[in-house]
Amino acid sequence: ETGVTQTPRHLVMGMTNKKSLKCEQHLGHNAMYWYKQSAKKPLELMFVYSLEERVENNSVPSRFSPECPNSSHLFLHLHTLQPEDSALYLCASSRRGGRETQYFGPGTRLLVL
Amino acid sequence: AQKITQTQPGMFVQEKEAVTLDCTYDTSDPSYGLFWYKQPSSGEMIFLIYQGSYDQQNATEGRYSLNFQKARKSANLVISASQLGDSAMYFCAMREDTQGGSEKLVFGKGTKLTVNP
Repeated sequence: ETGVTQTPRHLVMGMTNKKSLKCEQHLGHNAMYWYKQSAKKPLELMFVYSLEERVENNSVPSRFSPECPNSSHLFLHLHTLQPEDSALYLCASSRRGGRETQYFGPGTRLLVL
Repeated sequence: AQKITQTQPGMFVQEKEAVTLDCTYDTSDPSYGLFWYKQPSSGEMIFLIYQGSYDQQNATEGRYSLNFQKARKSANLVISASQLGDSAMYFCAMREDTQGGSEKLVFGKGTKLTVNP
């Protein structure tokens, strides 16, 4: 099983749809992250979960709603998105507090029409 | 102000030659970590190499080495014996603490490396 998996890999949705992105890590980590990568912009941190508790919300609009039911799974629920939300959404995980490397999943390419 | 600066939007190198990708950083924290990631067209961010601010020696991982010059605040990635599969985007990142007490990576804009046969 690869370290960090993400599903779906590609997603097209309308502005009125509701969808969810899923991330799963098999590395025994206890911190998980959502990043957004837009064209021509650096990766931006969206959310951080540490020990299943949200510890960071980087001024992300409420149309993005994260959920971390346990240390291995992380979701990003999407609703009423805008076309400018089209981007690559990357999930990462690491060991909390140990200043460890973050390992990334393959990402979900999202297109909002 | 940018915390991670990658001044080379694109670089070209001949197969089997070495190439250096530049990265400068800005921080006032005495303890920090610097990372390089590779992102192929598939999108996955692949961890390559790490350098801690207190590490005495430059990090090396196979064909990758990090030329860490602390006083200059630079952390350049050197790829030796380039291969066609090295063609990808390369990102320099710095770990920093957040206000919420966690850690995050701050990324540069990346350098697109093309290896020519």
